[in-house]
Amino acid sequence: DQQVKQNSPSLSVQEGRISILNCDYTNSMFDYFLWYKKYPAEGPTFLISISSIKDKNEDGRFTVFLNKSAKHLSLHIVPSQPGDSAVYFCAASGNSGGSNYKLTFGKGTLLTVNP
Amino acid sequence: DTGVSQDPRHKITKRGQNVTFRCDPISEHNRLYWYRQTLGQGPEFLTYFQNEAQLEKSRLLSDRFSAERPKGSFSTLEIQRTEQGDSAMYLCAIPWSPGTDTQYFGPGTRLTVL
Repeated sequence: DQQVKQNSPSLSVQEGRISILNCDYTNSMFDYFLWYKKYPAEGPTFLISISSIKDKNEDGRFTVFLNKSAKHLSLHIVPSQPGDSAVYFCAASGNSGGSNYKLTFGKGTLLTVNP
Repeated sequence: DTGVSQDPRHKITKRGQNVTFRCDPISEHNRLYWYRQTLGQGPEFLTYFQNEAQLEKSRLLSDRFSAERPKGSFSTLEIQRTEQGDSAMYLCAIPWSPGTDTQYFGPGTRLTVL
């Protein structure tokens, strides 16, 4: 039962253009959402997060949008740079019912930014 | 630097051997998490500590797995009688500040079981 879904295994974008990575979730108890970036042989690196009380959060080139009614979030990277090439994971958490803030991850999307 | 170190970074072992991994946060955090990532998957929750107490264990954590956090600082994860299916990246994570959902991950330990 995949509670967090990233339906696009890969995405290829030209340098300077926008990258849009999508994520869907099924558990309505999730109230906090995060994006992580991961290079091979390293741990995930935190990028940006959003609470369910917001619908947008921006940090430099990264913006996360949350549509609670659709149970959908997206990460926008503008402009995309070759150094952004990595696997991006969507994650969700919620402490309702004693979930202890554990994170539930999607399977990831491999982003390739071409020079 | 996320403030979490893990040792070893890589471990190759033969099936049936026992292995132990260590996670060291550089400062005190009351919560500590272990996750496992296999090929083509996102990290999956294994277990969670609040200080010394192990408060939650995933069904992924079979009887061959044991985790400890004896002094509420560093943590160890031991796998007994390793199987090829245990091959994965084992990740340790801590919250950056109390009461926050944001977790910062260590570099991981890559386990290969031959």
